Order: sequence, then C-alpha cells, then structure tokens
Amino acid sequence: ETGVTQSPTHLIKTRGQQVTLRCSSQSGHNTVSWYQQALGQGPQFIFQYYREEENGRGNFPPRFSGLQFPNYSSELNVNALELDDSALYLCASSGLAANSYNEQFFGPGTRLTVL
Amino acid sequence: AQKITQTQPGMFVQEKEAVTLDCTYDTSDPSYGLFWYKQPSSGEMIFLIYQGSYDQQNATEGRYSLNFQKARKSANLVISASQLGDSAMYFCAMREVNSGYSTLTFGKGTMLLVSP
Repeated sequence: ETGVTQSPTHLIKTRGQQVTLRCSSQSGHNTVSWYQQALGQGPQFIFQYYREEENGRGNFPPRFSGLQFPNYSSELNVNALELDDSALYLCASSGLAANSYNEQFFGPGTRLTVL
Repeated sequence: AQKITQTQPGMFVQEKEAVTLDCTYDTSDPSYGLFWYKQPSSGEMIFLIYQGSYDQQNATEGRYSLNFQKARKSANLVISASQLGDSAMYFCAMREVNSGYSTLTFGKGTMLLVSP
C-alpha cells in the first residue's frame, strides 16, 4: 500500500509569484485535505476535495485554490504569494472505507518559503 | 474561541519514565473524535491514537493511552516508558463534521524532549 506523497519537499518563491504543490493520495482514498502549518503552530485546514469537487473550505482567501484529478491526486495553487504564506503545507488523504472514524493519513509536507 | 487547547509548550522527561501531555477541547456537538499525532522534525504527522466521544473505554495503542474525561472535556495523552525516539512535537486534534465533510482542528502542540 503506497502512502501519501507530496512534491516538492522544499520550495523558495518571491512575493507576488504563484506556486503549485502536489499530493498523491493513499491507494483507495478518494478524499484529500490540505492544511497550512505556520512555524510554531498547529496545522490549519485550507480545503478538502472529494471526488474532484471542493466540498469544504477553511478561512483562507480565494487565491488559495485546488484541484483533484480522477486518480484522486490533488494540487494546491497559491497566487500572489505573500510573506505570511511561508509555511509547511500538509496533504492528508482519507477514504470512507478506511476507518469508521475516517482517519486522515498525512504526507511529509512541502515547506514553502516566500522571500 | 480556541477549540483545542494544549497548555504545555514543552515537556521534559527522562528515558523509561511516563509522561502526560494535556489537551482540552470545546465542542457542543455530541458526536466528535479526538486524535493525537506525533510530528518529528521531518514534518510528517504520524497518527498515534483515537478516541470517539461515545467510546466507553479509554483508547490504548501500545505505549500510548488516552485519558478521556468527557465531563471535563479533556483528552490527555499518556506515554509510558518513554524512549529517545519519542522526542517530537505532539498535537491533539478534534474531528469536526461540517455540512457533510469532516476536518481536523489542531491545538498548538507540545514539544516533548526525552533525555537519556
């Protein structure tokens, strides 16, 4: 069983640029959630995709957008990068059949630095 | 208002001793789930243990146990026989269900350092 993978592992961008982060969900999982973890904080929910549709969103501006593909992999896009976007971005996959409590399995994260 | 509160920024414990990491939560939903995750310096969130709000018994997973006190809204993690490899950030999280989807709300975490 392949776990959740994310790419790239590290990324450096400048203010105003755009970035795309990628996530491959665990085999058999149809739901992907994205979280932002700023330094010294717990992860914060950005949004969730289920069967290629966004079905939930946290308190993040529209310049944070995403996609989910038919194979359930996902992308997180951030436009007009700001310094405060510097964080660890975590992807988590889950599936209705995974567990009764819908456990989320996390990837290793992408560390984004905005200069 | 903060939904998950972890009041210990850092904890120190000696190898082979037990340690308790505190977590309190706030919800009006009768159905919820509580999770503990370990995050080493590599960044990956590693699932440790889960407690459902209707579970009658405290959850246990190997050296990890969850001291669930529903009336006090606390879900403390107990690690027995600490090992050097337990040094990491530990996060308490609550599963919330919103209009058909569920998310995790995390606390700010506790850094645990295990010394020889």
